[in-house]
Amino acid sequence: EAGVTQSPTHLIKTRGQQATLRCSPISGHTSVYWYQQALGLGLQFLLWYDEGEERNRGNFPPRFSGRQFPNYSSELNVNALELEDSALYLCASRWGAGDTQYFGPGTRLTVL
Amino acid sequence: GENVEQHPSTLSVQEGDSAVIKCTYSDSASNYFPWYKQELGKRPQLIIDIRSNVGEKKDQRIAVTLNKTAKHFSLHITETQPEDSAVYFCAASKNSGGSNYKLTFGKGTLLTVNP
Repeated sequence: EAGVTQSPTHLIKTRGQQATLRCSPISGHTSVYWYQQALGLGLQFLLWYDEGEERNRGNFPPRFSGRQFPNYSSELNVNALELEDSALYLCASRWGAGDTQYFGPGTRLTVL
Repeated sequence: GENVEQHPSTLSVQEGDSAVIKCTYSDSASNYFPWYKQELGKRPQLIIDIRSNVGEKKDQRIAVTLNKTAKHFSLHITETQPEDSAVYFCAASKNSGGSNYKLTFGKGTLLTVNP
Protein backbone atom coordinates (compact mmCIF):
# COMPACT_ATOMS: atom_id res chain seq x y z
CA GLU A 1 0.00 0.00 0.00
CA ALA A 2 1.44 3.36 -1.01
CA GLY A 3 1.88 5.88 1.77
CA VAL A 4 1.01 9.55 1.85
CA THR A 5 2.89 11.45 -0.83
CA GLN A 6 3.69 15.16 -1.05
CA SER A 7 5.11 17.40 -3.73
CA PRO A 8 7.33 19.17 -4.25
CA THR A 9 10.05 18.00 -1.84
CA HIS A 10 11.58 21.44 -1.68
CA LEU A 11 10.23 24.85 -2.62
CA ILE A 12 12.11 28.12 -2.60
CA LYS A 13 10.17 31.37 -2.85
CA THR A 14 10.75 35.02 -2.15
CA ARG A 15 8.82 37.14 0.28
CA GLY A 16 5.42 38.21 -1.06
CA GLN A 17 5.09 35.32 -3.50
CA GLN A 18 2.57 32.48 -3.31
CA ALA A 19 3.34 28.82 -2.66
CA THR A 20 1.26 25.76 -3.54
CA LEU A 21 1.92 22.43 -1.84
CA ARG A 22 0.25 19.14 -2.76
CA CYS A 23 -0.68 16.01 -0.88
CA SER A 24 -2.05 12.62 -1.92
CA PRO A 25 -3.52 10.57 0.93
CA ILE A 26 -3.38 6.83 1.36
CA SER A 27 -5.97 5.16 -0.84
CA GLY A 28 -9.28 4.97 1.01
CA HIS A 29 -8.46 7.78 3.42
CA THR A 30 -10.89 10.69 3.23
CA SER A 31 -9.44 13.05 5.84
CA VAL A 32 -6.36 15.16 5.17
CA TYR A 33 -4.56 17.27 7.77
CA TRP A 34 -1.88 19.89 7.25
CA TYR A 35 0.73 20.68 9.92
CA GLN A 36 3.56 23.21 10.00
CA GLN A 37 6.85 22.10 11.56
CA ALA A 38 9.00 25.17 12.14
CA LEU A 39 12.33 24.93 13.89
CA GLY A 40 11.94 24.63 17.62
CA LEU A 41 8.14 24.84 17.52
CA GLY A 42 7.14 21.23 17.05
CA LEU A 43 4.20 20.40 14.80
CA GLN A 44 1.34 22.85 14.69
CA PHE A 45 -2.09 22.06 13.24
CA LEU A 46 -2.99 24.14 10.19
CA LEU A 47 -6.05 22.72 8.43
CA TRP A 48 -8.33 19.67 8.28
CA TYR A 49 -10.23 18.59 5.18
CA ASP A 50 -12.77 15.80 5.06
CA GLU A 51 -14.99 14.76 2.17
CA GLY A 52 -14.04 17.87 0.23
CA GLU A 53 -14.87 20.36 2.98
CA GLU A 54 -12.68 22.41 5.29
CA ARG A 55 -13.68 21.16 8.76
CA ASN A 56 -11.32 23.04 11.05
CA ARG A 57 -8.34 25.35 10.95
CA GLY A 58 -5.62 26.15 13.44
CA ASN A 59 -4.41 29.50 14.67
CA PHE A 60 -2.97 30.69 11.36
CA PRO A 61 -3.84 33.77 9.27
CA PRO A 62 -6.27 33.55 6.33
CA ARG A 63 -3.40 33.67 3.82
CA PHE A 64 -3.02 29.97 4.63
CA SER A 65 -5.76 28.21 2.72
CA GLY A 66 -6.36 25.07 0.76
CA ARG A 67 -8.81 22.66 -0.70
CA GLN A 68 -9.55 19.01 -1.10
CA PHE A 69 -10.35 17.50 -4.46
CA PRO A 70 -12.94 14.79 -5.30
CA ASN A 71 -10.15 12.17 -5.27
CA TYR A 72 -9.33 13.31 -1.67
CA SER A 73 -5.96 14.78 -2.61
CA SER A 74 -5.34 18.21 -1.15
CA GLU A 75 -3.55 21.44 -1.85
CA LEU A 76 -2.21 23.99 0.61
CA ASN A 77 -1.80 27.56 -0.60
CA VAL A 78 0.20 30.16 1.24
CA ASN A 79 -0.22 33.71 -0.07
CA ALA A 80 1.92 36.77 0.58
CA LEU A 81 4.80 34.67 1.89
CA GLU A 82 6.71 35.92 4.90
CA LEU A 83 10.16 34.86 6.07
CA GLU A 84 8.65 33.11 9.12
CA ASP A 85 6.64 30.82 6.83
CA SER A 86 9.86 28.91 6.20
CA ALA A 87 9.18 25.46 7.61
CA LEU A 88 8.50 21.82 6.83
CA TYR A 89 4.85 21.38 5.86
CA LEU A 90 3.54 17.93 6.65
CA CYS A 91 0.38 16.37 5.36
CA ALA A 92 -1.31 13.47 7.14
CA SER A 93 -4.26 11.29 6.17
CA ARG A 94 -6.74 9.31 8.24
CA TRP A 95 -9.36 6.73 7.40
CA GLY A 96 -12.99 7.35 8.37
CA ALA A 97 -13.45 6.68 12.07
CA GLY A 98 -9.87 5.45 12.52
CA ASP A 99 -7.57 7.11 15.02
CA THR A 100 -4.20 7.06 13.31
CA GLN A 101 -2.85 9.87 11.18
CA TYR A 102 -0.20 8.78 8.69
CA PHE A 103 2.26 11.42 7.65
CA GLY A 104 3.81 12.22 4.31
CA PRO A 105 7.49 13.12 3.90
CA GLY A 106 6.77 16.85 3.89
CA THR A 107 7.56 19.83 1.71
CA ARG A 108 10.43 22.03 2.84
CA LEU A 109 9.42 25.63 2.09
CA THR A 110 12.14 28.25 2.22
CA VAL A 111 11.19 31.92 1.94
CA LEU A 112 14.03 34.27 1.04
CA GLY B 1 -7.76 24.64 23.46
CA GLU B 2 -5.57 21.66 24.22
CA ASN B 3 -2.00 22.19 25.39
CA VAL B 4 0.60 19.42 25.56
CA GLU B 5 3.82 19.78 27.53
CA GLN B 6 6.69 17.34 26.90
CA HIS B 7 9.82 16.70 28.98
CA PRO B 8 12.72 16.44 28.70
CA SER B 9 13.61 18.28 25.52
CA THR B 10 16.84 16.27 25.20
CA LEU B 11 17.75 12.87 26.62
CA SER B 12 21.05 11.04 26.30
CA VAL B 13 21.35 7.40 27.41
CA GLN B 14 23.81 4.57 27.06
CA GLU B 15 22.93 1.67 24.81
CA GLY B 16 20.97 -0.90 26.78
CA ASP B 17 19.60 1.61 29.29
CA SER B 18 15.94 2.64 29.51
CA ALA B 19 14.53 5.97 28.37
CA VAL B 20 11.40 7.68 29.68
CA ILE B 21 9.67 10.68 28.10
CA LYS B 22 6.78 12.37 29.86
CA CYS B 23 3.86 14.45 28.61
CA THR B 24 0.99 16.26 30.25
CA TYR B 25 -2.18 17.49 28.56
CA SER B 26 -4.72 20.09 29.57
CA ASP B 27 -8.04 19.03 28.01
CA SER B 28 -9.72 16.27 30.02
CA ALA B 29 -11.86 15.44 26.95
CA SER B 30 -8.79 14.22 25.03
CA ASN B 31 -9.03 10.47 24.55
CA TYR B 32 -6.30 9.46 22.08
CA PHE B 33 -2.57 9.73 22.73
CA PRO B 34 -0.12 8.71 19.98
CA TRP B 35 3.66 8.81 20.03
CA TYR B 36 5.60 9.55 16.86
CA LYS B 37 9.27 9.00 16.08
CA GLN B 38 10.93 11.33 13.60
CA GLU B 39 14.40 10.54 12.33
CA LEU B 40 16.44 13.34 10.78
CA GLY B 41 14.98 14.30 7.41
CA LYS B 42 12.21 11.72 7.63
CA ARG B 43 8.48 11.82 8.21
CA PRO B 44 6.98 11.29 11.69
CA GLN B 45 6.09 7.62 12.16
CA LEU B 46 3.63 6.29 14.70
CA ILE B 47 5.36 3.96 17.15
CA ILE B 48 2.62 3.37 19.71
CA ASP B 49 -0.69 4.86 20.76
CA ILE B 50 -3.15 4.54 23.60
CA ARG B 51 -6.81 5.40 24.14
CA SER B 52 -8.14 6.79 27.37
CA ASN B 53 -9.98 3.59 28.32
CA VAL B 54 -6.62 1.80 28.70
CA GLY B 55 -3.95 2.48 31.33
CA GLU B 56 -0.97 0.82 29.68
CA LYS B 57 0.02 -0.63 26.34
CA LYS B 58 3.19 -2.47 25.37
CA ASP B 59 4.80 -3.39 22.07
CA GLN B 60 8.10 -5.22 22.43
CA ARG B 61 10.59 -2.71 23.88
CA ILE B 62 8.14 0.19 23.84
CA ALA B 63 5.38 0.91 26.34
CA VAL B 64 3.05 3.80 27.03
CA THR B 65 1.29 4.51 30.32
CA LEU B 66 -1.65 6.87 30.83
CA ASN B 67 -2.89 8.48 34.03
CA LYS B 68 -6.20 10.15 33.17
CA THR B 69 -6.65 11.67 36.62
CA ALA B 70 -3.30 13.43 36.46
CA LYS B 71 -3.64 14.06 32.68
CA HIS B 72 -0.23 12.56 32.20
CA PHE B 73 1.18 9.95 29.80
CA SER B 74 4.66 8.55 29.32
CA LEU B 75 6.72 6.65 26.77
CA HIS B 76 9.08 3.97 28.05
CA ILE B 77 11.79 2.46 25.84
CA THR B 78 13.76 -0.43 27.31
CA GLU B 79 17.08 -1.89 26.12
CA THR B 80 17.74 1.14 23.96
CA GLN B 81 19.70 0.75 20.74
CA PRO B 82 21.54 3.36 18.62
CA GLU B 83 18.75 3.14 16.02
CA ASP B 84 16.33 4.46 18.65
CA SER B 85 18.09 7.83 18.33
CA ALA B 86 15.52 10.29 16.95
CA VAL B 87 13.08 13.02 17.98
CA TYR B 88 10.01 11.67 19.74
CA PHE B 89 6.74 13.59 19.82
CA CYS B 90 3.75 12.96 22.03
CA ALA B 91 0.32 14.18 20.97
CA ALA B 92 -3.26 14.31 22.18
CA SER B 93 -6.61 14.52 20.41
CA LYS B 94 -10.33 14.11 20.88
CA ASN B 95 -11.35 11.22 18.64
CA SER B 96 -15.04 10.51 18.48
CA GLY B 97 -17.96 11.27 16.23
CA GLY B 98 -18.31 14.97 15.61
CA SER B 99 -14.84 15.89 16.87
CA ASN B 100 -12.01 16.95 14.62
CA TYR B 101 -9.35 14.41 15.53
CA LYS B 102 -6.83 17.27 15.46
CA LEU B 103 -3.48 16.32 16.98
CA THR B 104 -1.89 18.72 19.45
CA PHE B 105 1.80 17.89 19.74
CA GLY B 106 4.39 18.35 22.41
CA LYS B 107 7.57 20.12 21.36
CA GLY B 108 9.54 16.91 21.04
CA THR B 109 12.38 15.08 22.80
CA LEU B 110 15.72 14.50 21.09
CA LEU B 111 16.83 11.05 22.24
CA THR B 112 20.46 10.12 21.71
CA VAL B 113 21.55 6.54 22.40
CA ASN B 114 25.30 6.31 22.80
CA PRO B 115 26.95 3.02 21.78
